[in-house]
Amino acid sequence: DIQMTQSPSSLSASVGDRVTITCRTSQDISNDLAWFQQKPGKAPKSLIHAASSLQSGVPSKFSGSGSGTVFTLTISNMQSEDFATYYCQQYNSNPPTFGQGTKVEIK
Amino acid sequence: QVQLVQSGAEVRKPGSSVKVSCKASGGTFRSYGISWVRQAPGQGLEWMGGVVPIFGTVNYAQKFQGRVTITADKSTSTTYMDLSSLISEDTAVYYCARGAGMGRLDYWGQGTLVTVSS
Repeated sequence: DIQMTQSPSSLSASVGDRVTITCRTSQDISNDLAWFQQKPGKAPKSLIHAASSLQSGVPSKFSGSGSGTVFTLTISNMQSEDFATYYCQQYNSNPPTFGQGTKVEIK
Repeated sequence: QVQLVQSGAEVRKPGSSVKVSCKASGGTFRSYGISWVRQAPGQGLEWMGGVVPIFGTVNYAQKFQGRVTITADKSTSTTYMDLSSLISEDTAVYYCARGAGMGRLDYWGQGTLVTVSS
């Protein structure tokens, strides 16, 4: 199975900050990577697929980049509704695997 | 607008089985894959398996092989996940998710809490 390593596991940010989360994979997955946002008690929400393609309806403050084994999710101008846990996921090979999550909290 | 509606919460005893359903509406059901992902309390996301209804192909994570069965009823656009030989560690919220192909998870159901307790 492809191992996913997200960093950091948690971070504190202030409203208006720019936040960057990194996801590393144990082997080359091209750009077959997705990012999800999950709020407490809710289902995950897809933000980005194919490493950098924004899902329909997702604001442009979210952006993704990378290919191969290193990927990043950047959230600009953090607002209260953006404080959540974020997961990366690869779908290049079976089984699909997830990072352990990054909890973004208000400073 | 794609919507996935899952069946309600379940309580089961250890050793029993549970079957959770996921009904899709909107989009073209047969063109996509449906996966099942679970999340134990306070933990991360874990892919269990998936099906591509139009091809009838099914894949399971090694961890759940022999214990999980995923089926799809094309006539009702409903997918089912059956998990047997339940243990307390199977207590989790179970989600279905749909996407283009087996591993894409673009749309999610609301989740179904399965509690395993004696």
